[in-house]
Amino acid sequence: AQSVTQLGSHVSVSEGALVLLRCNYSSSVPPYLFWYVQYPNQGLQLLLKYTSAATLVKGINGFEAEFKKSETSFHLTKPSAHMSDAAEYFCAVSLNDYKLSFGAGTTVTVRA
Amino acid sequence: GAVVSQHPSWVICKSGTSVKIECRSLDFQATTMFWYRQFPKQSLMLMATSNEGSKATYEQGVEKDKFLINHASLTLSTLTVTSAHPEDSSFYICSAFEAGQLKETQYFGPGTRLLVL
Repeated sequence: AQSVTQLGSHVSVSEGALVLLRCNYSSSVPPYLFWYVQYPNQGLQLLLKYTSAATLVKGINGFEAEFKKSETSFHLTKPSAHMSDAAEYFCAVSLNDYKLSFGAGTTVTVRA
Repeated sequence: GAVVSQHPSWVICKSGTSVKIECRSLDFQATTMFWYRQFPKQSLMLMATSNEGSKATYEQGVEKDKFLINHASLTLSTLTVTSAHPEDSSFYICSAFEAGQLKETQYFGPGTRLLVL
């Protein structure tokens, strides 16, 4: 079975600072990995997805994530945080591109 | 972009009653929809896969007689929590794929918060 662990339930960053959200996965076979964002009272929106192509994946809103097999990690980064990045972020893993196992989520707050 | 809606967004009910939650794809047809539940500060857990015109497939540990799923059309799936109890209080989220293919992206609804008193 596959699973993900998100390190840190809450991250607070200053506007303009680096955003780093950590995700480690466990999977017996090469996985698909996802990052989703959820704004208040809205559905989950896909930020980016890894599907065994390039290990550095670029997503929407300036986010990117790097797949590191040796570390079983898929950390999400954004060089410069914006106030609009305040949201809940979920890492997810799948074996078949649609049946997802989610992490517990990380709440990001951005300080002015 | 594709939009998935859920109704109601909030529901409070008495213990022992049944509650129906609707999931609609607003601008596309979805042969497959998924139902998740999320407890506070926990992961989204997949409950079941809902296929249009056939029986839903439930994940291990999910009671199919407790959580009735109907996917009667290509734009609507419903989840009915039967004889709800306080432990069923949770955040229920659906997602949908466009008809004809399993696309790369699931489109998620905004969720329904259920409180059973």
